[in-house]
Amino acid sequence: NAGVMQNPRHLVRRRGQEARLRCSPMKGHSHVYWYRQLPEEGLKFMVYLQKENIIDESGMPKERFSAEFPKEGPSILRIQQVVRGDSAAYFCASSGAANYGYTFGSGTRLTVV
Amino acid sequence: KQEVTQIPAALSVPEGENLVLNCSFTDSAIYNLQWFRQDPGKGLTSLLLIQSSQREQTSGRLNASLDKSSGRSTLYIAASQPGDSATYLCAVRPETSGSRLTFGEGTQLTVNP
Repeated sequence: NAGVMQNPRHLVRRRGQEARLRCSPMKGHSHVYWYRQLPEEGLKFMVYLQKENIIDESGMPKERFSAEFPKEGPSILRIQQVVRGDSAAYFCASSGAANYGYTFGSGTRLTVV
Repeated sequence: KQEVTQIPAALSVPEGENLVLNCSFTDSAIYNLQWFRQDPGKGLTSLLLIQSSQREQTSGRLNASLDKSSGRSTLYIAASQPGDSATYLCAVRPETSGSRLTFGEGTQLTVNP
């Protein structure tokens, strides 16, 4: 079991470009969570998805950010028209049944130049 | 709103010491609590998961306790080693199944040889 796979590991974008971050959950896990870690700050929840459904997006900025978890393929976190303040580490986690813990991926480190 | 606090924020100890990291949370209606380790520039590694009905969990030199009613958890590290140097994060999952984790800010541990 390869665990939670995130790619790319590092992503550099110029201001105004789009960033696409991918996350493949652990095999058998149907719950996906995205978190953001700004420099020198803690992990903040962004969005929780199950297959084809957004369950809780209360932590996600209203503009420029979107997430999906299609029936087939990885979960995608999309940031449009990136700004310098979007530079952060973005972590994806997955879980199975409710009494299971979370498993995190290694993260994608986004740098906006 | 759930708030998680970790004390101390940073800790530096000589190799071989036993140490305790503290985590407190404001809402005792939790499903489980998870301790993670994060190395600089890396993702999160799950250390221990304690269900709300449990009092403690052990893995090797690590022991985590949970007092749900008082909103506290401790992570005990025995015979610390330089390789234990990392940031330790505590996270709680609310009773609502599948909901997001709320993280503390972490304790940055340095074990000196």
